[in-house]
Amino acid sequence: DVKVTQSSRYLVKRTGEKVFLECVQDMDHENMFWYRQDPGLGLRLIYFSYDVKMKEKGDIPEGYSVSREKKERFSLILESASTNQTSMYLCASSPSSGRVYEQFFGPGTRLTVL
Amino acid sequence: AQSVAQPEDQVNVAEGNPLTVKCTYSVSGNPYLFWYVQYPNRGLQFLLKYITGDNLVKGSYGFEAEFNKSQTSFHLKKPSALVSDSALYFCAVRDGFSGGYNKLIFGAGTRLAVHP
Repeated sequence: DVKVTQSSRYLVKRTGEKVFLECVQDMDHENMFWYRQDPGLGLRLIYFSYDVKMKEKGDIPEGYSVSREKKERFSLILESASTNQTSMYLCASSPSSGRVYEQFFGPGTRLTVL
Repeated sequence: AQSVAQPEDQVNVAEGNPLTVKCTYSVSGNPYLFWYVQYPNRGLQFLLKYITGDNLVKGSYGFEAEFNKSQTSFHLKKPSALVSDSALYFCAVRDGFSGGYNKLIFGAGTRLAVHP
């Protein structure tokens, strides 16, 4: 079974802090994704990566950055956390090929910024 | 513009009755469609996908979905609902411009409540 893990289930940070959210997948997937989930808005893509050190902006990248130094690990960074970044953050991965694949999701990190 | 619409915020159904959760889509190119379920404080679990072939797709936990190209719909169905089916359901379509990246566009989600 594909396993996607996220470093924390719950996180509380203060405004202005630098926040790191870590995601690790164990299936050698090329593609990795970071979403935020807010009620009534569904999942919105923040960033994705299709290879080590390669990244692309998603729909809402402002206030976020990412890092992918190893294939299995994709980090989301909030440079200076703000209260409007309080949300559920979901990481996902998928293979890259000519076939159509679903994405495999981690359990999520619920971040509260005070 | 590419998009997914889930017109109902919440669906209520009695246990044992059939359920339908609606989804319509707009996408460039072939529609590759997905359903996911999310239980409280959990990540998303994949239920089923449509790529090509039969319009009726069977998935996990007794769920199925019907693809209708003329109506651009992909409704999720189950013949007999269980209380344990109560969860948040997301429809998604693969971004037509994403190629091998398998980027998905998600709907806003529909909360299913199954009452005993």
